[in-house]
Order: sequence, then C-alpha cells, then structure tokens
Amino acid sequence: KQEVTQIPAALSVPEGENLVLNCSFTDSAIYNLQWFRQDPGKGLTSLLLIQSSQREQTSGRLNASLDKSSGRSTLYIAASQPGDSATYLCAPLKDTDKLIFGTGTRLQVFP
Amino acid sequence: NAGVTQTPKFQVLKTGQSMTLQCAQDMNHEYMSWYRQDPGMGLRLIHYSVGAGITDQGEVPNGYNVSRSTTEDFPLRLLSAAPSQTSVYFCASGPAGRDQPQHFGDGTRLSIL
Repeated sequence: KQEVTQIPAALSVPEGENLVLNCSFTDSAIYNLQWFRQDPGKGLTSLLLIQSSQREQTSGRLNASLDKSSGRSTLYIAASQPGDSATYLCAPLKDTDKLIFGTGTRLQVFP
Repeated sequence: NAGVTQTPKFQVLKTGQSMTLQCAQDMNHEYMSWYRQDPGMGLRLIHYSVGAGITDQGEVPNGYNVSRSTTEDFPLRLLSAAPSQTSVYFCASGPAGRDQPQHFGDGTRLSIL
C-alpha cells in the first residue's frame, strides 16, 4: 500500500526566503506525481504535474523535482511571498488514476 | 470555465438521514472520483469511476454509494448518515491517460449530528 509522507508538517518563514518542501512515498512504481495547493476552506489547486520519466518541472517560482527510484519529490518555492501561505499537498499516481495524498505541509509566509 | 462543480457547499444532517452530494464536470473527463478529508488524515479515496457505467471502490467505501450514468455527473450517496461521516468531501476529475493533471471541486462540508 502506497504511503506518502510530507516533511515538514508546518513551516513559518519571513517573505523572501527560498523554501524546500519534501514528499516521500513508499511505492516507486508511479506514473506521475502531482503537487497541489489548498487554501483554508477551499478546494485543491493543481500546481505542477511531473511525469515518472521527468526529473523536474517548473512553473514560475515553483520547481518540482522527482527521484522516482528513491521515492522522493521536492517542491522548491523561490522568493516566497505572503500570498504563498497555504497547505501544499503531494500526490503520486499509481494505477487506475488513483491519487494517494500526503497530509501536507502548512506554510505561512509573513511580511 | 466551470470546471468541477460540487453542491451543496455546506450541509447538516441528523444521524440516519440520507442525502446525495452532487458533482458535475464540464471538461468531458473520463475519470472522476470522490475523496474525504479529515484532520490529520489527508485525503482518502472513497469511490472512483473511469467512465460512464463503470465505478469501483477506493480506500474507504463503506457507507457510500455512487453511480455514473453520464460522463458529466458523479453523485455520492450517503444511505444512512453516521457521525463518523462528518468530513469535507471533494470531487475530482481528470482525462484518460496520465499526462494531464486532475482537477478538484471546492468541496462539500458535511456535519452529521
């Protein structure tokens, strides 16, 4: 059974810092991995999808890397801003399009 | 761009009542699924569907029923609500294949008294 762990569980930083959010998963036989953002009381917004054949994917200040063989993915956030405050979730996809979620990293960026 | 639409946004039920959570998507996605989100437990898959007329169980299916009569709609039914089903429910959809992201609705916040 796929298990997904995200570290740290919570993070509070001043704006401007470069951040690293970690995701590890136990079953490396995945098709892709998706990173989501969730604002309080809201749904999930897809940030990045990285295929199992890719090493990294970038969108603006966000960069996701994937090391499938070691079961790890990292989300880098450059020059963090207060608007980045949210919970970040990673979800590897295995068979039948089923996403398995970690419990997330709650990020707070203060001015 | 409607995307994935869930209704209602909030609902309070009494134990034993039944209700249906609605989910509709306008992106012609083959794949749809239901998750529940509970504090400290992340999102857990309840049921999913890979196309009209096809459904299957996820990780926590007990107490829930689904059907998929059209590509657009994937309702989730609680037959006899229990306090343990108090949660936030999310519906998701995605295209066939694995090179496109899945999209989520804004959720239904359900309380069972």
